[in-house]
Amino acid sequence: DSGVTQTPKHLITATGQRVTLRCSPRSGDLSVYWYQQSLDQGLQFLIQYYNGEERAKGNILERFSAQQFPDLHSELNLSSLELGDSALYFCASSDDRVDEQFFGPGTRLTVL
Amino acid sequence: QKEVEQDPGPLSVPEGAIVSLNCTYSNSAFQYFMWYRQYSRKGPELLMYTYSSGNKEDGRFTAQVDKSSKYISLFIRDSQPSDSATYLCAMSGWTGGFKTIFGAGTRLFVKA
Repeated sequence: DSGVTQTPKHLITATGQRVTLRCSPRSGDLSVYWYQQSLDQGLQFLIQYYNGEERAKGNILERFSAQQFPDLHSELNLSSLELGDSALYFCASSDDRVDEQFFGPGTRLTVL
Repeated sequence: QKEVEQDPGPLSVPEGAIVSLNCTYSNSAFQYFMWYRQYSRKGPELLMYTYSSGNKEDGRFTAQVDKSSKYISLFIRDSQPSDSATYLCAMSGWTGGFKTIFGAGTRLFVKA
């Protein structure tokens, strides 16, 4: 158990809908990272927050947004969902050390 | 050309074999090098990380970094069926902002 929690575990929704994925980092970790993992794309970095502020941005679509709250939990919002958004979404957290990220169990999103 | 290249396998070996997993990269800005293990439908788990060129050993695992060749390796000695998983290399560095790139992952099967 990495200490990172993600909810929900599974999410099934329809095209055009909006969903919110939630992540709670390990106790004491200030950084939260979001990743998308699909079969044909591997693990893709989406975005990083550090202590409430956006720190780095990867291949995140404009339909996706994220935020980190004062209690350090983070949410990833996915809107206008498309079939191709079906994937595993992982959250990871770290302290100031950028080389050690601890991953949560993931949220499996299925868009029908 | 991808920034990080990793053979997806699958790689099948008998129990007790020495396993060699490799990644090559193109961006010399990468400074941190990690190996993650991911079991099916689970979050990646950090196995090893290194900062500089050379070897780092932890139990049956040895990570090797050759910055001059832009080549990293993970060796697993006395492989066990429980080592069967996907192994992802990852590297981080400051390149127009700090970013972490993952390899596609190599699927490893260790046969009893």
